Parts: sequence; C-alpha cells; structure tokens
Amino acid sequence: DAGVIQSPRHEVTEMGQEVTLRCKPISGHNSLFWYRQTMMRGLELLIYFNNNVPIDDSGMPEDRFSAKMPNASFSTLKIQPSEPRDSAVYFCASSPGGEAFFGQGTRLTVV
Amino acid sequence: GDSVTQMEGPVTLSEEAFLTINCTYTATGYPSLFWYVQYPGEGLQLLLKATKADDKGSNKGFEATYRKETTSFHLEKGSVQVSDSAVYFCALSADTGGFKTIFGAGTRLFVKA
Repeated sequence: DAGVIQSPRHEVTEMGQEVTLRCKPISGHNSLFWYRQTMMRGLELLIYFNNNVPIDDSGMPEDRFSAKMPNASFSTLKIQPSEPRDSAVYFCASSPGGEAFFGQGTRLTVV
Repeated sequence: GDSVTQMEGPVTLSEEAFLTINCTYTATGYPSLFWYVQYPGEGLQLLLKATKADDKGSNKGFEATYRKETTSFHLEKGSVQVSDSAVYFCALSADTGGFKTIFGAGTRLFVKA
C-alpha cells in the first residue's frame, strides 16, 4: 500500500479564498483523522470519522471549516473563507483501530 | 476527557547520552499507548506501542513501559545518536465509537555530535 496520500503538498492562497485539502486513507482502515499542526498550538485534532461517519468534530475551530468523507477512500477538509491564521500544516491519518498512519501533510500558507 | 501530558522541550543531549522523555496520561478506560516520532518536513510515524498494563514497547533502541499504577509511559534510550534528533509525541488511543488518538504536545530532541 502507498500509505495515506494527501494533496496538495503545498498550498499558497490569498485571504478570503476557498481551500480544499484532500486525503486518501489506507484501504481497509475504518477511522480517519484530520489534524492541524502549528508551532504555537502543536498538534490539534480537528475531526475524526469512523466508517465514513463524523464522530467528533469538536476540534473544528469555527464554521469556516468543514470536512466530508463521501466514501471509504476519500476525504476533504475545506476552509471557506481562508484567513492568515489558518496557515499551518494539515495532516490526515487513518487507522484500523489503535495505531494511526499519517500522510506527509499539506503545508497551507494564507497571505 | 482523555488527555496526554509530556515534558516540555527542547531537550538537548550529547551523542551517547541517556534519554528520558516523561509522559503521563488520563483515560477513563484502558487505552493503548504509543510514541510517535516526527522528522523535519515529515508526518508522524509510529515508534513503539503498548496495548496493556506492564507491556513494554521497543524499537530502534527506544523503549517504554505501560505503567497503569502511575499512568505513565516514559520513553527511554540508553545511547542517543545525532540521527535521533526529532520531535517525539506520546499518544493514547481508546475506543470511543471509533478509535480516537489523542497526542501530547510533543518534545523536541536535539542531539549534538
């Protein structure tokens, strides 16, 4: 398996624009997580899905953030409108139960 | 709710020194415990794990023992190398209708030659 695949690896956008981050989990994993990592706040869990259903979205910072998992092989994290304070590395991870497998991350810069 | 607390960094050591990074947890059930490592520009990767009390996880010279009585999972290595320089995260995973993984804040380790 190729592991968890995230795209794009880098994204630079202007404030106010919509940003969509994509994730392909490892086949057979039934849990999927979105994390945000910054120097100031460390690694934050934004939302996680189990069997494509959102279980806990309490970490989503505000209504500008939304996440979907339309099927077992794809998930998106959308920010609309984006703001400079959203600049961070966003990680997707999947898990069969227990250990989490991380993608390489998307480095988002909002200018 | 469940949480993980680990020692603040950065930790700076000379090559071949002994390493300890402390980690304690709070959980209502019986979680599995993990140490992940993050090298610059990469995602987190699993270093070692333990799934029940008194289990010892080990990998690449690192080890940690699941201590239920002290709710701890301290990471140790007898002789660090420059290549061990990275950020280390302690984490727990528990079944909450899906396995939710909770991470500590991370501890940055610098090893000098």
